Amino acid sequence: DTEVTQTPKHLVMGMTNKKSLKCEQHMGHRAMYWYKQKAKKPPELMFVYSYEKLSINESVPSRFSPECPNSSLLNLHLHALQPEDSALYLCASSQGQGKGGYTFGSGTRLTVV
Amino acid sequence: GENVEQHPSTLSVQEGDSAVIKCTYSDSASNYFPWYKQELGKGPQLIIDIRSNVGEKKDQRIAVTLNKTAKHFSLHITETQPEDSAVYFCAASRGFKTIFGAGTRLFVKA
Repeated sequence: DTEVTQTPKHLVMGMTNKKSLKCEQHMGHRAMYWYKQKAKKPPELMFVYSYEKLSINESVPSRFSPECPNSSLLNLHLHALQPEDSALYLCASSQGQGKGGYTFGSGTRLTVV
Repeated sequence: GENVEQHPSTLSVQEGDSAVIKCTYSDSASNYFPWYKQELGKGPQLIIDIRSNVGEKKDQRIAVTLNKTAKHFSLHITETQPEDSAVYFCAASRGFKTIFGAGTRLFVKA
């Protein structure tokens, strides 16, 4: 299994809602990532988990809260988002630091209304 | 801060021609340089990569070159096909940090 699976594929939420994005991989990768991608822009790093511990937080607002329940799962909890947070949220995994490139999921297209 | 410049932003070629995309990075400590292809509605897909101790790598119709001194690296696609049409991102990595270029939209005309 060489896939990263993200759910849901599309999400529309109001600014007062709470929702979660989910990501799963079964490749035995020990690093997992959340990226945000705006239209016609490159992915921007949000969070890195290594061995289920948060390694990097790129100064992301607290309305985004990551969670890594185990080595295969990565969640992103969303609360009180703004319309400018609308974007494609990509999950990725890799074997570890300096151990090759990423396997990306297909992303969750988030629209905040 | 660190950045990666990528050119051109758009590239249109005839089927069968070659396509070249060039990138320049600023962080001299970068030691891993992947290239990703992103098709509409999908996440980026790793297509080839090169490490800082290697100058060139080839995989079928795709090749990458790296000039560490000049901090340049390039993607070469030969015998382009319509299915090569996509957005291509170069990237430079150090540890867990990966900086992506702005992307090149490649159109291959049949």
